[in-house]
Amino acid sequence: DSGVTQTPKHLITATGQRVTLRCSPRSGDLSVYWYQQSLDQGLQFLIQYYNGEERAKGNILERFSAQQFPDLHSELNLSSLELGDSALYFCASSVMAGLSTDTQYFGPGTRLTVL
Amino acid sequence: TQLLEQSPQFLSIQEGENLTVYCNSSSVFSSLQWYRQEPGEGPVLLVTVVTGGEVKKLKRLTFQFGDARKDSSLHITAAQPGDTGLYLCAGPSTTSGTYKYIFGTGTRLKVLA
Repeated sequence: DSGVTQTPKHLITATGQRVTLRCSPRSGDLSVYWYQQSLDQGLQFLIQYYNGEERAKGNILERFSAQQFPDLHSELNLSSLELGDSALYFCASSVMAGLSTDTQYFGPGTRLTVL
Repeated sequence: TQLLEQSPQFLSIQEGENLTVYCNSSSVFSSLQWYRQEPGEGPVLLVTVVTGGEVKKLKRLTFQFGDARKDSSLHITAAQPGDTGLYLCAGPSTTSGTYKYIFGTGTRLKVLA
């Protein structure tokens, strides 16, 4: 158990819909990262927040957005869902702002299926 | 764009054999990290290498960072079924002042008893 929690574990929805994935970081961690893992694209970095502020942005689509709240939990919002958005979405957390040697702890993931 | 290519993509070996997994890039990385991911779970950090030429050992696993910090390798001695999983290298990427964290293409290892 990494100490990072993600809900829900599974999510099945239809194209065009909007969903929200939730992540609670480990106690004391200030950074939250979001990743998408699919068979054809591998593990892709989406976005990072540090203490409520956006720190880094990766391959995140405009239909996707995220935020980190004052209690440090984070939400990833996915809208106008397409079949290709079906994937595992991971949240990770770390203590620092993402320095090169900072350790990221990954949650168990949310499996999103878009029908 | 910095990329991390891993080889081989798939590896199936017998228990007790040795193996090496490679992680290569045309770009310099300030550090590289290795993870193992098991089905249905998130990646778990194994090691971080920072200095060119650095070698780190974790029980039967030996990690090396290339002298030029463009490549890394993971060597497993006497593989066991418990080593089965997806091995990923990863590192911070700064392109045009934009910070990202990128993962390699992955090596899926299966160790047969």
